Amino acid sequence: GAVVSQHPSRVICKSGTSVKIECRSLDFQATTMFWYRQFPKKSLMLMATSNEGSKATYEQGVEKDKFLINHASLTLSTLTVTSAHPEDSSFYICSARVPPDTQYFGPGTRLTVL
Amino acid sequence: EDQVTQSPEALRLQEGESSSLNCSYTVSGLRGLFWYRQDPGKGPEFLFTLYSAGEEKEKERLKATLTKKESFLHITAPKPEDSATYLCAVQAGSGSRLTFGEGTQLTVNP
Repeated sequence: GAVVSQHPSRVICKSGTSVKIECRSLDFQATTMFWYRQFPKKSLMLMATSNEGSKATYEQGVEKDKFLINHASLTLSTLTVTSAHPEDSSFYICSARVPPDTQYFGPGTRLTVL
Repeated sequence: EDQVTQSPEALRLQEGESSSLNCSYTVSGLRGLFWYRQDPGKGPEFLFTLYSAGEEKEKERLKATLTKKESFLHITAPKPEDSATYLCAVQAGSGSRLTFGEGTQLTVNP
């Protein structure tokens, strides 16, 4: 199956700082990637859809100025959490679409904001 | 609005005790139904995609089926390593987004 990596796997930062999370498709090219957030014992919540070379599409209620998404190449999408606060602490997971429809997920990034 | 409901929320089985997980959905124009397995602290692992009613897919001890209203994930003679949260998701309309259910947490005791 298709392999998706994320870096870092864990990050701890101070309130007010920005954090960048990378999502890479290792053995395929992904024109579309997705970013999800998952709270403890809850399911995945889609934050945004990232298309290579164009602006991301954000879900309702997700602040696009806080969660910056860049999909500059066919194998890399990044999520930057700007001016992070404790309420941004969560498990962030990316996925990449393999045509026609299947999404393959990365291992996730645990963000803790102190 | 697309809705996905999974049941039960949690299921405990003895090793070898077969059972089924349910995923009920309400969507406009189903394009695909997906099953994933998620271990604690990890991203979901793809299991199956089902596209049309009557379709079945199998992988080792798992078998997924699809009707017009629901999907079942049948687990035959489960082993402790099958313990995980199983997520169901649907894709509808023209977009690529997935709508996930809340998952079923499966525990298989030796």
